Amino acid sequence: ETGVTQTPRHLVMGMTNKKSLKCEQHLGHNAMYWYKQSAKKPLELMFVYSLEERVENNSVPSRFSPECPNSSHLFLHLHTLQPEDSALYLCASSHLPSGAGGEAFFGQGTRLTVV
Amino acid sequence: GNSVTQMEGPVTLSEEAFLTINCTYTATGYPSLFWYVQYPGEGLQLLLKATKADDKGSNKGFEATYRKETTSFHLEKGSVQVSDSAVYFCALSEKDGNNRLAFGKGNQVVVIP
Repeated sequence: ETGVTQTPRHLVMGMTNKKSLKCEQHLGHNAMYWYKQSAKKPLELMFVYSLEERVENNSVPSRFSPECPNSSHLFLHLHTLQPEDSALYLCASSHLPSGAGGEAFFGQGTRLTVV
Repeated sequence: GNSVTQMEGPVTLSEEAFLTINCTYTATGYPSLFWYVQYPGEGLQLLLKATKADDKGSNKGFEATYRKETTSFHLEKGSVQVSDSAVYFCALSEKDGNNRLAFGKGNQVVVIP
């Protein structure tokens, strides 16, 4: 398998549930990202991990908790979400330092619906 | 801060028509510029990129030129196909940062047979 893989592709959860999104990259990259794509809003960067260390947290509520156990895997743990958290959650990876590139490669996303 | 502005609204055109999607940017440094494409139900795929002024990125018949003087990176394709129907996002990343991407709002492109 190649590229960036996200599971599950679709998730429906209640506001009191706890669930996790998983991302795995097979590109040998050392940085991973979570982005949120909501209807009619630009893509929002949520978290950045570089060499398994969180280097950015863009004012994301604590009900979203990321985890990066190694450079190939990234999780987003979800707890006590709100309906407005329903969105497409995209994982991406890239290589740092960026050198002449700087591009990120994305997974297919997890479509999350909070009911 | 960094930002990307794309033209407003969806784009609807006939097969074999010429496509242009405008993109302008604001950045403090010298960013890399990208176009990503999102097909229905999918994630984002890198379409093309340019890393310095006057570079031209190209892929699958699409082209975009990094214009520093006008801070623009307009996407063009000479003859679109129905299969080009998708949402197109312009984006930038600062070379000295963590490759974080700033995206435009995206443009829905619908190609009619």
